[in-house]
Amino acid sequence: AQSVAQPEDQVNVAEGNPLTVKCTYSVSGNPYLFWYVQYPNRGLQFLLKYITGDNLVKGSYGFEAEFNKSQTSFHLKKPSALVSDSALYFCAVRSGGYQKVTFGTGTKLQVIP
Amino acid sequence: DTAVSQTPKYLVTQMGNDKSIKCEQNLGHDTMYWYKQDSKKFLKIMFSYNNKELIINETVPNRFSPKSPDKAHLNLHINSLELGDSAVYFCASSRKGGSTEAFFGQGTRLTVV
Repeated sequence: AQSVAQPEDQVNVAEGNPLTVKCTYSVSGNPYLFWYVQYPNRGLQFLLKYITGDNLVKGSYGFEAEFNKSQTSFHLKKPSALVSDSALYFCAVRSGGYQKVTFGTGTKLQVIP
Repeated sequence: DTAVSQTPKYLVTQMGNDKSIKCEQNLGHDTMYWYKQDSKKFLKIMFSYNNKELIINETVPNRFSPKSPDKAHLNLHINSLELGDSAVYFCASSRKGGSTEAFFGQGTRLTVV
Protein backbone atom coordinates (compact mmCIF):
# COMPACT_ATOMS: atom_id res chain seq x y z
CA ALA A 1 0.00 0.00 0.00
CA GLN A 2 1.07 3.58 -0.47
CA SER A 3 -0.24 6.88 0.84
CA VAL A 4 0.47 10.58 0.75
CA ALA A 5 -0.38 13.22 3.32
CA GLN A 6 -0.54 16.94 2.78
CA PRO A 7 -1.21 18.21 6.29
CA GLU A 8 -2.17 21.77 5.34
CA ASP A 9 -5.36 22.54 3.46
CA GLN A 10 -4.13 26.06 2.82
CA VAL A 11 -0.85 27.94 3.06
CA ASN A 12 -0.74 31.73 3.04
CA VAL A 13 2.47 33.55 2.31
CA ALA A 14 3.37 37.13 1.50
CA GLU A 15 4.73 37.90 -1.93
CA GLY A 16 8.52 37.79 -1.93
CA ASN A 17 8.71 35.50 1.10
CA PRO A 18 9.87 31.89 0.89
CA LEU A 19 7.17 29.26 0.71
CA THR A 20 6.95 25.64 1.78
CA VAL A 21 4.17 23.18 1.00
CA LYS A 22 4.48 20.00 3.03
CA CYS A 23 4.15 16.41 1.91
CA THR A 24 4.84 13.12 3.65
CA TYR A 25 4.48 9.69 2.16
CA SER A 26 4.33 6.03 3.00
CA VAL A 27 5.38 3.29 0.60
CA SER A 28 6.99 -0.09 0.71
CA GLY A 29 10.09 0.08 -1.38
CA ASN A 30 11.66 3.04 -3.06
CA PRO A 31 9.33 5.92 -3.85
CA TYR A 32 8.85 7.95 -6.96
CA LEU A 33 7.58 11.35 -5.81
CA PHE A 34 5.90 14.07 -7.81
CA TRP A 35 4.54 17.57 -7.40
CA TYR A 36 1.78 18.94 -9.61
CA VAL A 37 0.08 22.33 -9.71
CA GLN A 38 -3.53 23.02 -10.65
CA TYR A 39 -4.70 26.49 -11.61
CA PRO A 40 -8.45 27.23 -11.47
CA ASN A 41 -10.46 25.39 -14.12
CA ARG A 42 -7.33 23.72 -15.49
CA GLY A 43 -5.81 20.26 -15.45
CA LEU A 44 -2.82 19.37 -13.33
CA GLN A 45 0.61 20.42 -14.55
CA PHE A 46 3.77 18.57 -13.64
CA LEU A 47 6.27 20.61 -11.59
CA LEU A 48 9.02 18.22 -10.57
CA LYS A 49 9.83 14.70 -9.48
CA TYR A 50 12.24 12.68 -7.40
CA ILE A 51 13.36 9.34 -8.74
CA THR A 52 16.82 8.77 -7.35
CA GLY A 53 20.05 10.63 -6.75
CA ASP A 54 20.36 14.16 -5.41
CA ASN A 55 17.85 14.82 -2.66
CA LEU A 56 17.22 18.38 -3.85
CA VAL A 57 15.19 18.42 -7.02
CA LYS A 58 14.67 21.54 -9.10
CA GLY A 59 11.60 22.00 -11.25
CA SER A 60 9.53 24.46 -13.22
CA TYR A 61 8.83 28.09 -12.27
CA GLY A 62 11.63 28.21 -9.71
CA PHE A 63 10.20 25.49 -7.49
CA GLU A 64 12.31 22.86 -5.79
CA ALA A 65 11.66 19.99 -3.44
CA GLU A 66 13.75 18.15 -0.93
CA PHE A 67 13.52 14.41 -0.53
CA ASN A 68 14.13 13.29 3.04
CA LYS A 69 14.14 9.54 3.38
CA SER A 70 14.39 9.41 7.17
CA GLN A 71 11.43 11.73 7.59
CA THR A 72 9.59 10.30 4.55
CA SER A 73 8.97 13.82 3.34
CA PHE A 74 9.07 15.64 0.05
CA HIS A 75 8.33 19.29 0.79
CA LEU A 76 7.89 21.76 -2.03
CA LYS A 77 9.77 25.05 -1.71
CA LYS A 78 10.37 28.30 -3.47
CA PRO A 79 12.74 31.03 -2.25
CA SER A 80 10.51 33.96 -3.23
CA ALA A 81 6.77 33.57 -3.79
CA LEU A 82 4.89 35.30 -6.59
CA VAL A 83 1.19 36.16 -6.63
CA SER A 84 0.96 34.03 -9.78
CA ASP A 85 2.04 30.99 -7.73
CA SER A 86 -1.38 30.99 -6.07
CA ALA A 87 -2.91 27.65 -7.00
CA LEU A 88 -3.67 24.16 -5.73
CA TYR A 89 -0.64 21.92 -5.26
CA PHE A 90 -0.72 18.14 -5.23
CA CYS A 91 1.95 15.77 -4.02
CA ALA A 92 1.88 12.23 -5.48
CA VAL A 93 3.73 8.98 -4.90
CA ARG A 94 4.25 5.72 -6.69
CA SER A 95 6.32 2.83 -5.45
CA GLY A 96 8.46 0.97 -7.92
CA GLY A 97 6.41 -2.14 -8.34
CA TYR A 98 3.01 -0.50 -8.12
CA GLN A 99 1.07 0.72 -11.11
CA LYS A 100 -1.03 3.29 -9.36
CA VAL A 101 -0.07 6.85 -8.49
CA THR A 102 -1.60 8.06 -5.24
CA PHE A 103 -2.30 11.76 -4.90
CA GLY A 104 -2.45 13.81 -1.74
CA THR A 105 -5.51 15.85 -0.87
CA GLY A 106 -4.00 19.05 -2.21
CA THR A 107 -2.82 22.28 -0.57
CA LYS A 108 -4.15 25.62 -1.65
CA LEU A 109 -1.37 28.18 -1.82
CA GLN A 110 -2.40 31.78 -1.46
CA VAL A 111 0.29 34.39 -2.11
CA ILE A 112 -0.71 37.76 -0.72
CA PRO A 113 0.47 40.89 -2.53
CA ASP B 1 -1.39 21.72 -30.37
CA THR B 2 -2.97 20.42 -27.18
CA ALA B 3 -1.11 17.41 -25.82
CA VAL B 4 -4.07 15.79 -24.04
CA SER B 5 -7.46 16.96 -25.16
CA GLN B 6 -10.85 16.07 -23.74
CA THR B 7 -14.29 16.74 -25.09
CA PRO B 8 -16.62 18.12 -24.03
CA LYS B 9 -15.29 20.62 -21.51
CA TYR B 10 -18.69 20.97 -19.85
CA LEU B 11 -21.50 18.43 -19.74
CA VAL B 12 -24.85 19.03 -18.10
CA THR B 13 -27.29 16.15 -18.23
CA GLN B 14 -30.25 14.65 -16.47
CA MET B 15 -30.21 11.70 -14.13
CA GLY B 16 -30.58 8.40 -15.89
CA ASN B 17 -28.97 9.53 -19.13
CA ASP B 18 -25.96 7.90 -20.76
CA LYS B 19 -23.02 10.08 -21.75
CA SER B 20 -19.50 9.77 -23.10
CA ILE B 21 -16.33 11.79 -22.63
CA LYS B 22 -13.60 11.51 -25.23
CA CYS B 23 -9.87 11.83 -24.72
CA GLU B 24 -7.01 11.94 -27.16
CA GLN B 25 -3.28 12.41 -26.65
CA ASN B 26 -0.72 13.28 -29.30
CA LEU B 27 2.35 12.66 -27.16
CA GLY B 28 2.95 9.10 -28.28
CA HIS B 29 2.43 7.83 -24.73
CA ASP B 30 1.61 4.21 -24.02
CA THR B 31 -0.40 4.73 -20.85
CA MET B 32 -3.63 6.66 -20.37
CA TYR B 33 -5.75 7.32 -17.29
CA TRP B 34 -9.09 8.58 -16.10
CA TYR B 35 -9.22 10.48 -12.83
CA LYS B 36 -12.19 11.86 -10.93
CA GLN B 37 -11.90 15.09 -8.93
CA ASP B 38 -14.73 15.72 -6.52
CA SER B 39 -16.06 18.98 -5.15
CA LYS B 40 -13.41 18.97 -2.42
CA LYS B 41 -10.71 18.68 -5.09
CA PHE B 42 -9.78 15.13 -4.06
CA LEU B 43 -8.27 13.31 -7.00
CA LYS B 44 -8.81 9.59 -7.46
CA ILE B 45 -7.75 7.30 -10.23
CA MET B 46 -10.52 5.38 -11.93
CA PHE B 47 -8.88 3.49 -14.76
CA SER B 48 -5.54 3.07 -16.45
CA TYR B 49 -4.80 1.58 -19.84
CA ASN B 50 -1.43 0.59 -21.19
CA ASN B 51 -1.32 0.13 -24.94
CA LYS B 52 -5.09 -0.46 -25.08
CA GLU B 53 -4.96 -2.97 -22.23
CA LEU B 54 -6.75 -2.25 -18.94
CA ILE B 55 -4.22 -2.35 -16.08
CA ILE B 56 -5.94 -0.45 -13.30
CA ASN B 57 -9.63 -0.66 -12.52
CA GLU B 58 -10.41 0.93 -9.19
CA THR B 59 -13.62 0.31 -7.30
CA VAL B 60 -15.71 2.23 -9.77
CA PRO B 61 -19.37 1.37 -10.41
CA ASN B 62 -19.72 -0.74 -13.52
CA ARG B 63 -21.89 2.01 -14.98
CA PHE B 64 -18.52 3.49 -15.92
CA SER B 65 -16.90 1.79 -18.88
CA PRO B 66 -13.65 2.91 -20.45
CA LYS B 67 -12.83 2.10 -24.04
CA SER B 68 -9.48 2.43 -25.75
CA PRO B 69 -9.74 1.99 -29.52
CA ASP B 70 -6.03 2.69 -29.89
CA LYS B 71 -3.25 3.85 -27.61
CA ALA B 72 -3.88 7.51 -28.40
CA HIS B 73 -7.51 7.45 -27.31
CA LEU B 74 -9.27 6.59 -24.08
CA ASN B 75 -12.97 7.32 -23.86
CA LEU B 76 -15.21 7.09 -20.83
CA HIS B 77 -18.82 6.03 -21.15
CA ILE B 78 -21.19 6.45 -18.23
CA ASN B 79 -24.57 4.75 -18.09
CA SER B 80 -27.56 5.71 -15.97
CA LEU B 81 -26.01 8.88 -14.60
CA GLU B 82 -26.59 9.69 -10.94
CA LEU B 83 -26.36 12.94 -9.01
CA GLY B 84 -23.22 11.66 -7.26
CA ASP B 85 -21.43 11.35 -10.58
CA SER B 86 -21.17 15.13 -10.75
CA ALA B 87 -17.46 15.93 -10.70
CA VAL B 88 -14.58 16.96 -12.91
CA TYR B 89 -13.14 14.08 -14.90
CA PHE B 90 -9.54 14.29 -16.05
CA CYS B 91 -7.85 12.27 -18.70
CA ALA B 92 -4.09 11.92 -18.49
CA SER B 93 -1.29 10.11 -20.25
CA SER B 94 2.29 9.14 -19.53
CA ARG B 95 5.12 7.11 -20.90
CA LYS B 96 5.30 3.61 -19.56
CA GLY B 97 7.15 3.22 -16.29
CA GLY B 98 6.77 4.16 -12.67
CA SER B 99 9.05 7.16 -12.78
CA THR B 100 7.28 9.05 -15.53
CA GLU B 101 5.08 12.04 -14.93
CA ALA B 102 1.57 12.36 -16.28
CA PHE B 103 0.20 14.98 -18.63
CA PHE B 104 -3.37 16.00 -17.89
CA GLY B 105 -6.19 17.22 -20.05
CA GLN B 106 -8.20 20.31 -19.16
CA GLY B 107 -10.96 18.29 -17.55
CA THR B 108 -14.63 17.71 -18.22
CA ARG B 109 -17.01 19.21 -15.68
CA LEU B 110 -19.97 16.85 -15.49
CA THR B 111 -23.11 18.12 -13.79
CA VAL B 112 -25.99 15.72 -13.31
CA VAL B 113 -29.33 17.38 -12.57
